[in-house]
Amino acid sequence: QKEVEQNSGPLSVPEGAIASLNCTYSDRGSQSFFWYRQYSGKSPELIMFIYSNGDKEDGRFTAQLNKASQYVSLLIRDSQPSDSATYLCAVNVNKLVFGAGTILRVKS
Amino acid sequence: DGGITQSPKYLFRKEGQNVTLSCEQNLNHDAMYWYRQDPGQGLRLIYYSQIVNDFQKGDIAEGYSVSREKKESFPLTVTSAQKNPTAFYLCASSPYQGSNQPQHFGDGTRLSIL
Repeated sequence: QKEVEQNSGPLSVPEGAIASLNCTYSDRGSQSFFWYRQYSGKSPELIMFIYSNGDKEDGRFTAQLNKASQYVSLLIRDSQPSDSATYLCAVNVNKLVFGAGTILRVKS
Repeated sequence: DGGITQSPKYLFRKEGQNVTLSCEQNLNHDAMYWYRQDPGQGLRLIYYSQIVNDFQKGDIAEGYSVSREKKESFPLTVTSAQKNPTAFYLCASSPYQGSNQPQHFGDGTRLSIL
C-alpha cells in the first residue's frame, strides 16, 4: 500500500462548479497535511495546510481532514480555468511524503 | 524578494559525467531538501539537511551527493553512478525540520542525458 494515495484523474469540472480532490494516507501517526498546486512544467506551490480534524477555509479553498478515516480533501469552490493543474497531497510522517497528484481540468 | 533560487533551469549530462545543481535560499531557513520528480509520479526525497554541516539520506540517495557548508546553500551533485538521472529536480526549504513546517520550492532544474 502506498503511503499517500490520490486518484490520478483527470478530474474534469465545468467552470463555476466545486472541484473535490481526495487523498488517503496509511500512517495513523501523521500530524500535518499539505496541498500543493503544480502547473505543467512548474514547481509545486503550497496552497493549504491543515493539522486538526475538521475544515479549514482560505478563500475559495477548503481543506478537510478526517484522521479517523485517514483522508484529507481539498474543495475548490467556483472553479476557474486557471485552477487547471495537478494537485499534490503531502503528509508529514517524520518526513514529507507526496502522493502522485490528481490532474484537475476546469472547462469554460 | 525572499525565495529559493535553483540553477541552471536546464542541464544536460554526458555519459560518465558528474553534474552539480545549485540551490540558494535567502529565507533564513534552517532546513533544506532535494526531491526528484519523474513524469506522473510524486516527489521523492533524495537528501535533506536540518543544519549547516549536517545532512541525511532520503529515500533515493544512491548516486547523489550533497554538501551544506553555508546556511543559504545546499548543492546537489548527480554522480555518474546515478544511471537514470533524467528527471525534474526540486529544492525546498522550511524554517526548521518539524512536522508542521510547510516546505516551499524553488523553480526546479530539468536534467537530461545527452
